[in-house]
Amino acid sequence: QIQLQESGPGLIKPSETLSLTCGVGGGSISSSNWWSWVRQTPGKGLEWIGQVYHSGSTDYNPSLKSRVTISVDKSKNQFSLKLTSVTAADTAIYYCAKKESYNYAGLDLWGQGTLVTVSS
Amino acid sequence: DIQMTQSPSSLSASVGDRVTITCRASQSISIFLSWFQQKPGQPPKLLIYAASALQSGVPSRFNSGGSGTDFTLTISSLQPEDFATYYCQQSYTSPFTFGPGTKVDIK
Repeated sequence: QIQLQESGPGLIKPSETLSLTCGVGGGSISSSNWWSWVRQTPGKGLEWIGQVYHSGSTDYNPSLKSRVTISVDKSKNQFSLKLTSVTAADTAIYYCAKKESYNYAGLDLWGQGTLVTVSS
Repeated sequence: DIQMTQSPSSLSASVGDRVTITCRASQSISIFLSWFQQKPGQPPKLLIYAASALQSGVPSRFNSGGSGTDFTLTISSLQPEDFATYYCQQSYTSPFTFGPGTKVDIK
């Protein structure tokens, strides 16, 4: 049974880089899944940030594309999110999630989420 | 981006009620539509994928349908554990946008 667990700082300063990791337990990151990041704020609701495949192929939300990098670390069986030049608007609960790679699949497994606050 | 809308934004219902939530896409998304349930302090949980396919372990009182731009999620007999917020999401084209949510609370 695969489990996902986010980790990273809960407080960062404006203009810094947000870095989060999602550990994949009970399964391989090289399995046929897209590994995703989604964030949630009271104001904007749920926002899909992007996804990565174990091959390294990525797909990003254009609204964040200039600031986002999602990558896979097969040696650690985890994937990561980096978001540069953060502002208060990036304060959110960040979730990692997975979606099987076949057509029509949904985000079928989510981590518990981690709250990241951007504040000086 | 494909815009997703949901109606109503909230509703009050009683245990045993039949509840229907509507999701509309700004352009055709075929059946690339998922439904999620979220309770306070928890991540979203996948209920439905491919517009009408029930995710493993989800009770059969959850039904859904639609294609193209209009979709519905129906809870045939609302149970106490169903009071939550429900979201739709399209996975037809990136970015995979979510609806704003429908909060179902107790009447």
